Amino acid sequence: ETGVTQSPTHLIKTRGQQVTLRCSSQSGHNTVSWYQQALGQGPQFIFQYYREEENGRGNFPPRFSGLQFPNYSSELNVNALELDDSALYLCASSLAGTSGRNEQFFGPGTRLTVL
Amino acid sequence: LAKTTQPISMDSYEGQEVNITCSHNNIATNDYITWYQQFPSQGPRFIIQGYKTKVTNEVASLFIPADRKSSTLSLPRVSLSDTAVYYCLVGGRTGRRALTFGSGTRLQVQP
Repeated sequence: ETGVTQSPTHLIKTRGQQVTLRCSSQSGHNTVSWYQQALGQGPQFIFQYYREEENGRGNFPPRFSGLQFPNYSSELNVNALELDDSALYLCASSLAGTSGRNEQFFGPGTRLTVL
Repeated sequence: LAKTTQPISMDSYEGQEVNITCSHNNIATNDYITWYQQFPSQGPRFIIQGYKTKVTNEVASLFIPADRKSSTLSLPRVSLSDTAVYYCLVGGRTGRRALTFGSGTRLQVQP
C-alpha cells in the first residue's frame, strides 16, 4: 500500500504567475483534501473533493481551484499568485463512507515560494 | 466548528511522561476529539481519537472528562523523536469532514 505523494517538493514562482500542484492519494481512498500551512501556523483547509466533485471549501478565493481525477489523484491550481501564497501545501486523502475514525493521511507537502 | 485552545509550547526531558491539555468548551454532541502530530517539513500524522472517557493505543492515551470540555493527550516516556507540534482537533468522525487545526503545541524534548 503506497502512501500519499505530492509533486513537486519545492517550487519558486513570481507574483502573478500560475501554479499547479499534484497529489496521488493513498490506494483505496476516494476523498482528497488540500490544506495551506503558513510558517508557524496550523494547516488551513482549502477544499475537499469526493468522487471528483468539490465537497466543501474553506475561506479561500476562487483563484484557488482544484480537480480530482477518476483514479482519485488531484490537482491544486492557484492563479495570479500573491506573496502571501508562500506556504506549505498539504494534500490529505481519506476513505469516506466508513464509520471509522476521522483519519486523514497527509503527504509530505509542496513548499511554494512566491517572489 | 468548535474552537480549541492548547498551550503554545512545552518542554520535557527524555523518559518523562508528557500531558498536553486542550480546551474545547463549545464541543458539539456528535464531535470527536482527535490529535495529530507534525514534524518539521512533513504532513501531520494521526495519533489518537476519542469521544469520552479514556482511549489508549500503542503510542498515546487520551483522557476525556465527562463534560467533554477538555481533553488531555498523554505521551508516556517521551524520547527526542517525540519533539514535534501536536494539534488537538474536534469535529466529525468520518473521512469526509474537513479538519480544523489551531496553532498546536510545540513540544521540545531535551536529552
